[in-house]
Amino acid sequence: DAKTTQPNSMESNEEEPVHLPCNHSTISGTDYIHWYRQLPSQGPEYVIHGLTSNVNNRMASLAIAEDRKSSTLILHRATLRDAAVYYCILGSWNAGNMLTFGGGTRLMVKP
Amino acid sequence: DAMVIQNPRYQVTQFGKPVTLSCSQTLNHNVMYWYQQKSSQAPKLLFHYYDKDFNNEADTPDNFQSRRPNTSFCFLDIRSPGLGDAAMYLCATSIRIGGTSYEQYFGPGTRLTVT
Repeated sequence: DAKTTQPNSMESNEEEPVHLPCNHSTISGTDYIHWYRQLPSQGPEYVIHGLTSNVNNRMASLAIAEDRKSSTLILHRATLRDAAVYYCILGSWNAGNMLTFGGGTRLMVKP
Repeated sequence: DAMVIQNPRYQVTQFGKPVTLSCSQTLNHNVMYWYQQKSSQAPKLLFHYYDKDFNNEADTPDNFQSRRPNTSFCFLDIRSPGLGDAAMYLCATSIRIGGTSYEQYFGPGTRLTVT
């Protein structure tokens, strides 16, 4: 499985934007970049995914480097409820969408 | 509103005593997954069902079995729990159409304690 590298932890202030980086230098041409997050004492939840182009949804934006070897999850205005572990995962939709979770980034949001 | 339901939320079992965890879904998804998440670690896929087809991960211990009697329900059976099996067990579902699977929806998990 292609691997991702994320910082162990990051801090943000409430109502400020947050940029969560992910490196995936061994990404293959068919790999999508998925982001899930896990709030305390809950199961993971889907955030966003993309292949080549930048993506936006109601939760976040995903910026993908032109060479696809890195990506950034952007939370436009962090709230206390966004404090979670954020996982960047590579996977191919047509290979059963198996998720191999890496270490993730623990995001702390300060009021 | 609950879409992926796991019961119970907390389960205590004794060393070596078989235990079953259950998962149900209201999404009518054709794929169901079981993950194990140990303390301070990331979730690890144990196995999944695509409809009735069972797919075991290569490193999932034989001690772990699963049943899916119908689309809505899936069970995780641990035949002889050891202390090392204490963990959060997460159930997830997704829809797979043709060769394409979509995002996974996770339940809240069952925390298993082995005494």
